[in-house]
Amino acid sequence: DTAVSQTPKYLVTQMGNDKSIKCEQNLGHDTMYWYKQDSKKFLKIMFSYNNKELIINETVPNRFSPKSPDKAHLNLHINSLELGDSAVYFCASTPTSGGGEQYFGPGTRLTVT
Amino acid sequence: TQLLEQSPQFLSIQEGENLTVYCNSSSVFSSLQWYRQEPGEGPVLLVTVVTGGEVKKLKRLTFQFGDARKDSSLHITAAQPGDTGLYLCAGAWYKLSFGAGTTVTVRA
Repeated sequence: DTAVSQTPKYLVTQMGNDKSIKCEQNLGHDTMYWYKQDSKKFLKIMFSYNNKELIINETVPNRFSPKSPDKAHLNLHINSLELGDSAVYFCASTPTSGGGEQYFGPGTRLTVT
Repeated sequence: TQLLEQSPQFLSIQEGENLTVYCNSSSVFSSLQWYRQEPGEGPVLLVTVVTGGEVKKLKRLTFQFGDARKDSSLHITAAQPGDTGLYLCAGAWYKLSFGAGTTVTVRA
């Protein structure tokens, strides 16, 4: 019954590796997001998709590539991981695009060693 | 550069005391949201304020939106240990921009 789910919950990997994080929402929302929360708890938007279409792409290295196979799923693939990528990544969804109420997933804690 | 400044960054109080968290910006927002995040979990929406000067109450929590829709405050009356968490304000325009958060600890 989880509204927004993410896998994995924890991810520990070495520099240079490629990894993916998956997100699914069963709320029937049209818009999904990826956020990054750094060690100081600052939450920053990375990407937003509306009905599988990319609508927000903040200043994020192109090593990060989101993919939305359908409007209920939004995955994040990261190439050539760097130490600075260590953070908690949150997926979220909203009924419509824009600044509506965000429903967040539980987060994926990524540690790059 | 953060669009929204939250203060204080940390707040530790005794159970039963009151506290206020501030969220300030030079930008005007269409609405402002407050979230609470507990360790190991994602943020959860507490309230959305839309109209300048609006005041909303949620049990012991009182939220106010500034008249110019640039700032907001969260006041907790008679805080309880269950109020412990990271409080985040977020301003809405075409996306949400979050403040850096206020970590609140309520000691029993």
